[in-house]
Amino acid sequence: RKEVEQDPGPFNVPEGATVAFNCTYSNSASQSFFWYRQDCRKEPKLLMSVYSSGNEDGRFTAQLNRASQYISLLIRDSKLSDSATYLCVVNIRLSNFGNEKLTFGTGTRLTIIP
Amino acid sequence: DAGVIQSPRHEVTEMGQEVTLRCKPISGHNSLFWYRQTMMRGLELLIYFNNNVPIDDSGMPEDRFSAKMPNASFSTLKIQPSEPRDSAVYFCASSPAATGYGIPPYEQYFGPGTRLTVT
Repeated sequence: RKEVEQDPGPFNVPEGATVAFNCTYSNSASQSFFWYRQDCRKEPKLLMSVYSSGNEDGRFTAQLNRASQYISLLIRDSKLSDSATYLCVVNIRLSNFGNEKLTFGTGTRLTIIP
Repeated sequence: DAGVIQSPRHEVTEMGQEVTLRCKPISGHNSLFWYRQTMMRGLELLIYFNNNVPIDDSGMPEDRFSAKMPNASFSTLKIQPSEPRDSAVYFCASSPAATGYGIPPYEQYFGPGTRLTVT
């Protein structure tokens, strides 16, 4: 089983719709979770951290389910500019000195259709 | 403030040649990461440094790859000799790796990447 798994898509969604992605992780010791966004031929950029209680940033909502070991990203009222690849990232801290291991999912490609 | 700086942005070389990629992390960041991204394998962590010390190089594909961080503001990733299967985009990222900066821990900032083509 892969450490981090995502549905690669593509998801083709009409503008204004709501879209949700899930990501599963295999290591129950994982401690930090993020969603990154990557535009075509660009570097990944942090979209949002995922907190245990769930968190919202404008049209974006992230949730964590530790029992089932998955995180989710919900995008409401989708815009054309939301078209990108969304990467799920899982972080495990290895020591108290800040040593860490990060694993990226392969990404879910989203295209918003006018 | 300047973000993570990488050079060169593009590199085309012939098989067997040595390739050196360079990275300047964000000033004050304690951790530096090298990644490789391909269509087939996605984004893979090659190696990371904490306070200039290599912590985990288990992602380095083979002995042809080596990385150094001689000081807090500079790192290199070297491939010698290069092979066509090394063609990929290589990203460098840095992270504060500790709280106190007003930034969530472990957030990473990526450079623009070096697109390497080995013919």
